[in-house]
Amino acid sequence: SQTIHQWPATLVQPVGSPLSLECTVEGTSNPNLYWYRQAAGRGLQLLFYSVGIGQISSEVPQNLSASRPQDRQFILSSKKLLLSDSGFYLCAWEDREHYGYTFGSGTRLTVV
Amino acid sequence: GQQLNQSPQSMFIQEGEDVSMNCTSSSIFNTWLWYKQDPGEGPVLLIALYKAGELTSNGRLTAQFGITRKDSFLNISASIPSDVGIYFCAGLLNDYKLSFGAGTTVTVRA
Repeated sequence: SQTIHQWPATLVQPVGSPLSLECTVEGTSNPNLYWYRQAAGRGLQLLFYSVGIGQISSEVPQNLSASRPQDRQFILSSKKLLLSDSGFYLCAWEDREHYGYTFGSGTRLTVV
Repeated sequence: GQQLNQSPQSMFIQEGEDVSMNCTSSSIFNTWLWYKQDPGEGPVLLIALYKAGELTSNGRLTAQFGITRKDSFLNISASIPSDVGIYFCAGLLNDYKLSFGAGTTVTVRA
């Protein structure tokens, strides 16, 4: 069965520090992968999506970047975090058979 | 992505009550999805709708894909305390990107 792993679960980082969040998917190949951000009490904002290795589409220009070095690995990065980067970050993969997205358990990022 | 308007924004419900929430869009979708998010967790898919007019149930949950393809509703029957959470609608057209509503926060009074 397919599973999605996301880590770390929580992270507190100082302003100006780098960021690396990792997401991996098991049990499927060539998935579409997504990074979403959810601000406190808000909906889900699509940040990046990838339809294949090395292919990244950015939805919102910002302080973040994404990479897909392997088929089932999706990484969200920043060189220098801002206070406004705080939020709940969710990775998801698209289940093409069922046309649904399956989400990871999320990373709570607090920039201080 | 397309804008989805989800209502109500929040609701307090009595245990045992039936509740309803809906989602509308100015754009059409080919797929409507409903998710539930518990605190500190990622959203979990509840129901997926693939065809205009489709009515689908999952236990006490029922959702419909509007005929115009621009709306969907979700009903929860006989609410219980574990129904607490945030419910999101999401729509998909032909590209790879889901558009999400802002969510409906449900709180159940015991």
